[in-house]
Amino acid sequence: RKEVEQDPGPFNVPEGATVAFNCTYSNSASQSFFWYRQDCRKEPKLLMSVYSSGNEDGRFTAQLNRASQYISLLIRDSKLSDSATYLCAVKPYSTGGFKTIFGAGTRLFVKA
Amino acid sequence: DVKVTQSSRYLVKRTGEKVFLECVQDMDHENMFWYRQDPGLGLRLIYFSYDVKMKEKGDIPEGYSVSREKKERFSLILESASTNQTSMYLCASSLPFGGQKNNYGYTFGSGTRLTVV
Repeated sequence: RKEVEQDPGPFNVPEGATVAFNCTYSNSASQSFFWYRQDCRKEPKLLMSVYSSGNEDGRFTAQLNRASQYISLLIRDSKLSDSATYLCAVKPYSTGGFKTIFGAGTRLFVKA
Repeated sequence: DVKVTQSSRYLVKRTGEKVFLECVQDMDHENMFWYRQDPGLGLRLIYFSYDVKMKEKGDIPEGYSVSREKKERFSLILESASTNQTSMYLCASSLPFGGQKNNYGYTFGSGTRLTVV
C-alpha cells in the first residue's frame, strides 16, 4: 500500500461546480499536511497547509480527518484556471519532518 | 519574490555521461531536496540536506550523489547517466522543521527535464 494515495482522476467538471478530492495516508504519526497545485509541465506550488481544525482560503477548503487518516480539498465555484493536478503531501513526525511524502496527484479539468 | 532556481530547463545527455544538476535558493533555507517526478509514480525523494555539507539518502538514491558546499546551493550528480534516469528533476527548499515551521511547505524550482539517450 502506498503511503499517500489519491484518486488520479481525471475529474471533469463544468465551470461553477463544486468538486472535492480526498487523499489517504497510512502513517498515523503523520504531523503536517499540505495541498499543492501543479500546472502542466510546471513545478508544484503550495496551495495550502491543512490544519487540524480545517481551514479555508477563498474558494478552497481543506479538512483533516485523523481518525480515518485522510485529508480533503474542496473547490467551490470552479474556474477554468483551476484546471491542474492537485498533489497532497504528508510529513510524518517519525522522520523528524525531513521527508515529505507526496501523492501522485489528482487531475482536474474545468470546462466552459 | 523568493526563488529556487534550477540551472537548466531541458537537458539531453548520452548514456554513461556524468551529469550535474544545479539548484540555488535565495531564501536562506536550511533544508534542500531533490525529487524526480515520473507519470503515475509521483514525486520520489532522491536526496536531501538539512545543513551545509550534510546529506541524507531519500527513497531512491541509487545512481545519484549530491553536494552541498554552500547553504544556497544543492547539486545533484548522476554518476553515469542511464536511460532509466530520464525524468523531470525537481529541487525544493524549506525552512528547518519544528513547531509552527512544520506547517510551511516546500518551494520548488521550475524543474529540469532530463533525457538520457
